Amino acid sequence: AQKITQTQPGMFVQEKEAVTLDCTYDTSDPSYGLFWYKQPSSGEMIFLIYQGSYDQQNATEGRYSLNFQKARKSANLVISASQLGDSAMYFCAMREAGSGNTGKLIFGQGTTLQVKP
Amino acid sequence: EAQVTQNPRYLITVTGKKLTVTCSQNMNHEYMSWYRQDPGLGLRQIYYSMNVEVTDKGDVPEGYKVSRKEKRNFPLILESPSPNQTSLYFCASTLNGQAGSRSEQFFGPGTRLTVL
Repeated sequence: AQKITQTQPGMFVQEKEAVTLDCTYDTSDPSYGLFWYKQPSSGEMIFLIYQGSYDQQNATEGRYSLNFQKARKSANLVISASQLGDSAMYFCAMREAGSGNTGKLIFGQGTTLQVKP
Repeated sequence: EAQVTQNPRYLITVTGKKLTVTCSQNMNHEYMSWYRQDPGLGLRQIYYSMNVEVTDKGDVPEGYKVSRKEKRNFPLILESPSPNQTSLYFCASTLNGQAGSRSEQFFGPGTRLTVL
């Protein structure tokens, strides 16, 4: 079974509008962390935002926020006021205790976001 | 500047010709990993290391070797590359690899490998 599922292979958004990228996860560990990374066409992986399983509030980092619904096991990334530079692939990833505290991140398949001018 | 470096960035080789992709980090991180990225599959961990001389297999270790003789370096070795190892490879490091840790994983720029 997929541990991290991103059901939107590709998405379009108009510049200056908000967009939500979906991520659902599957773990039985009580302690885990969820990460979002951005991969522009140049290929590098850029860390965006982190949400811990015990965090009481949804994480925010500038224009990025995480809609964390623990009971539904979802951690959707919200990008407000989209910019052309937001066009990229976005990965949701999880670190869980079941990985043996090895630092391993389990990644979803990714969502390609295109921002239209 | 805190960073993970990888070399080479691009490599085209032929089946069976041994190659090494180097990886180095300057953040004194204990945890290092190698991932491969393939379309539709995201990134998958190949090998990881929790400290010097401590390495272990990840999810897709077949056909790869690693070593960790120094804390900063974590080379990936393909003894006899095959076409199914054509992929984009990332080295990564993190300060704390525990599940509840907020430590982000820092990624190198990637190595695009083509095996003919």
